[in-house]
Amino acid sequence: GAVVSQHPSRVICKSGTSVKIECRSLDFQATTMFWYRQFPKQSLMLMATSNEGSKATYEQGVEKDKFLINHASLTLSTLTVTSAHPEDSSFYICSARPDRNEQFFGPGTRLTVL
Amino acid sequence: QKEVEQDPGPLSVPEGAIVSLNCTYSNSAFQYFMWYRQYSRKGPELLMYTYSSGNKEDGRFTAQVDKSSKYISLFIRDSQPSDSATYLCASLSGSARQLTFGSGTQLTVLP
Repeated sequence: GAVVSQHPSRVICKSGTSVKIECRSLDFQATTMFWYRQFPKQSLMLMATSNEGSKATYEQGVEKDKFLINHASLTLSTLTVTSAHPEDSSFYICSARPDRNEQFFGPGTRLTVL
Repeated sequence: QKEVEQDPGPLSVPEGAIVSLNCTYSNSAFQYFMWYRQYSRKGPELLMYTYSSGNKEDGRFTAQVDKSSKYISLFIRDSQPSDSATYLCASLSGSARQLTFGSGTQLTVLP
């Protein structure tokens, strides 16, 4: 149990386009989901915390107008990178927490902006 | 000072060795401790989850928490090449909603 999926696993897009990444908890309901960004050989950097039905809480330095997060249901959160630029190229990982303290991660989405 | 410190390695061991991975933390409020394994280009996978001080064993893996010294350890017995990955420790206080991660230790088990 406790499986989190992400789609797509890899996306390549042109500069200026928007990209949507989906995160789903497959076998549990997640009251809280998190979005992380990870650069090569670095640890996870928390971008934002989203709670179902409310606005996401963004970490300092993360542009909320650029990284739109929607947590529309207890099993789905989406991250939209708007007007993507090459510096947005990274590995984006979501995680979900059931109503306990364990946290489960998705497989990640590799975004490459040309 | 980071709240969770972890030696980034890299650490290389021969197959069959016992691996010891360690973290220290500074926040006395941390009560929940986790170890994640992350293979290259994959999301982290939860390996061990412990609450407060003590040991927890799961197969070849043992997690140890010493709250008096604020020290977290993960031991891997009979290490295998498939254990080669980055290992991340993480901590959580009862009131916090976010995990605090260490920087990760890159482990290579040589056949």
